[in-house]
Amino acid sequence: GAVVSQHPSRVICKSGTSVKIECRSLDFQATTMFWYRQFPKQSLMLMATSNEGSKATYEQGVEKDKFLINHASLTLSTLTVTSAHPEDSSFYICSVRGQGGNQPQHFGDGTRLSIL
Amino acid sequence: GQSLEQPSEVTAVEGAIVQINCTYQTSGFYGLSWYQQHDGGAPTFLSYNALDGLEETGRFSSFLSRSDSYGYLLLQELQMKDSASYFCSLAYGGATNKLIFGTGTLLAVQP
Repeated sequence: GAVVSQHPSRVICKSGTSVKIECRSLDFQATTMFWYRQFPKQSLMLMATSNEGSKATYEQGVEKDKFLINHASLTLSTLTVTSAHPEDSSFYICSVRGQGGNQPQHFGDGTRLSIL
Repeated sequence: GQSLEQPSEVTAVEGAIVQINCTYQTSGFYGLSWYQQHDGGAPTFLSYNALDGLEETGRFSSFLSRSDSYGYLLLQELQMKDSASYFCSLAYGGATNKLIFGTGTLLAVQP
């Protein structure tokens, strides 16, 4: 069964709207989750590492105030795209690393965000 | 910074064997992983190399050579359902083990 649940799967909204995406770890507690963005026919780009109970760690070039990450519990991380614009339209995917050494990451089904 | 390069597209026929290469320019990573992604879907884990050499998992095998900064994914007995994008990735960051993905290879399997 699914290890990671991500909602919503698709969002279409007007420019200027803020959009929240949820990522839930279903099988185990996750102190760390990851958020990626993927443009059509391109690779997954790591945006930030979500840390339970502390601030997220953002990759270079990712605007912290634009992409707000909250990891308030061991099973839930949220990504909020604030004041979204058409250039923010993309596929956003979260992941959770499996427990134990050298475990693979498990990905959510992704959220396709379209800003009109 | 880190960079992982892959061929953008590969085409093969059903039943054949195909190799997808991954070259990188970095150091200090924990291992090389491979993920498969069908169009619009979530990436799924295929294989992982912590050490140099070949790892075999069913029809898929993966290879790593740290001295050559090179790895590859080998797919045998290709099936139509193997048509997808394939990404190599390097794991960093100690306990966080964040992944940095390669440029991706779109595999098209033809009848």
